[in-house]
Amino acid sequence: DAGITQSPRHKVTETGTPVTLRCHQTENHRYMYWYRQDPGHGLRLIHYSYGVKDTDKGEVSDGYSVSRSKTEDFLLTLESATSSQTSVYFCAISERGNGYTFGSGTRLTVV
Amino acid sequence: QQQVKQSPQSLIVQKGGISIINCAYENTAFDYFPWYQQFPGKGPALLIAIRPDVSEKKEGRFTISFNKSAKQFSLHIMDSQPGDSATYFCAASKGNQAGTALIFGKGTTLSVSS
Repeated sequence: DAGITQSPRHKVTETGTPVTLRCHQTENHRYMYWYRQDPGHGLRLIHYSYGVKDTDKGEVSDGYSVSRSKTEDFLLTLESATSSQTSVYFCAISERGNGYTFGSGTRLTVV
Repeated sequence: QQQVKQSPQSLIVQKGGISIINCAYENTAFDYFPWYQQFPGKGPALLIAIRPDVSEKKEGRFTISFNKSAKQFSLHIMDSQPGDSATYFCAASKGNQAGTALIFGKGTTLSVSS
């Protein structure tokens, strides 16, 4: 989507390896979010950020960490990937906490 | 604890029919209720949203009905078209407060048959 880019789009990694997903925005929005989408579970919040270096945990944060050193980038790190983290990961941005704009997603497979 | 419950999980509607998806929430502090539409391989996109000060909002063929006392809201798609076939998510949040985020329902897969 315009203004928000996720990379990589697809990744296959081995169990136990660290993985970092990147979300980049050009909208200068304050709020950024990481969700994972799994069949039967919908979208579940992993972590979110309400400003540079201001982050907080979501519903399914175990095994994940985030960093936001500048407004435009929000990184999601899987410290030691497990098969249960195979999922589609979506980043979203918003200016006022509502009306999210989602990226196109990263499909991650942990083998 | 699921804060936003969405039903049905899947829905098949004839072309020209009305599609109805329902959501119920638990937290009375929620004050923003959007619906998102997602096509395969794409991210969700905001479709329509409502705040609890109104009972209904209409945008084209899409209408949100909101019942504050019952803590329920629903999406109605009038004159459903094959192009409406997608997954729909309801969501809720406590507005602009820092430290809040949208909580989503589990989604409804809509198929509109021609």
